Amino acid sequence: GAVVSQHPSRVICKSGTSVKIECRSLDFQATTMFWYRQFPKQSLMLMATSNEGSKATYEQGVEKDKFLINHASLTLSTLTVTSAHPEDSSFYICSARTSGGSFHNEQFFGPGTRLTVL
Amino acid sequence: AQSVTQLGSHVSVSEGALVLLRCNYSSSVPPYLFWYVQYPNQGLQLLLKYTSAATLVKGINGFEAEFKKSETSFHLTKPSAHMSDAAEYFCAVSEGGGNKLTFGTGTQLKVEL
Repeated sequence: GAVVSQHPSRVICKSGTSVKIECRSLDFQATTMFWYRQFPKQSLMLMATSNEGSKATYEQGVEKDKFLINHASLTLSTLTVTSAHPEDSSFYICSARTSGGSFHNEQFFGPGTRLTVL
Repeated sequence: AQSVTQLGSHVSVSEGALVLLRCNYSSSVPPYLFWYVQYPNQGLQLLLKYTSAATLVKGINGFEAEFKKSETSFHLTKPSAHMSDAAEYFCAVSEGGGNKLTFGTGTQLKVEL
């Protein structure tokens, strides 16, 4: 149980285009989802926290108009990188948290999405 | 504010030897502490967590960690390394159980024959 998937696993796009990444909780309801980015050989940096049905809370320094987050249901959150540039190339990882039950308050991580902007 | 420091970005051990990965934390409130493992091009898997119960925490795959408040440390150990333990390990702190995680910079563990 407690599986989180991400789609796509890899994406290559041209500079200036937008890319959407999906994060799904497959067997539980995620009241909160987190989006992280990880540069090569570096740690995970939290970008934003999203609660189902409300606006995401962005970390300092993260442009909310560039990284659009939608958490429309208890099993799906999306991250859209708008007008992507090469410096946006990174590994994007989501995690999902549920309330209640045996997994109460634990974050479960997706497998990540490798974004390369040419 | 919370932070995590992992000493040693790379650790190399022989198969069968003791694994020791170091983690020190800073937190303004009693912390929740976590160790995660990441295999190449994959997400993070939880190894173990400390949530203010027993100070010695046992996790999966034979790993354990001891919370030492006086040293603000949460080092990860395993008595005998296996080749399959080769991966990146992250220590993380949270002020509250399901709240924002702050990660250390990671330690790459290499296991040699």
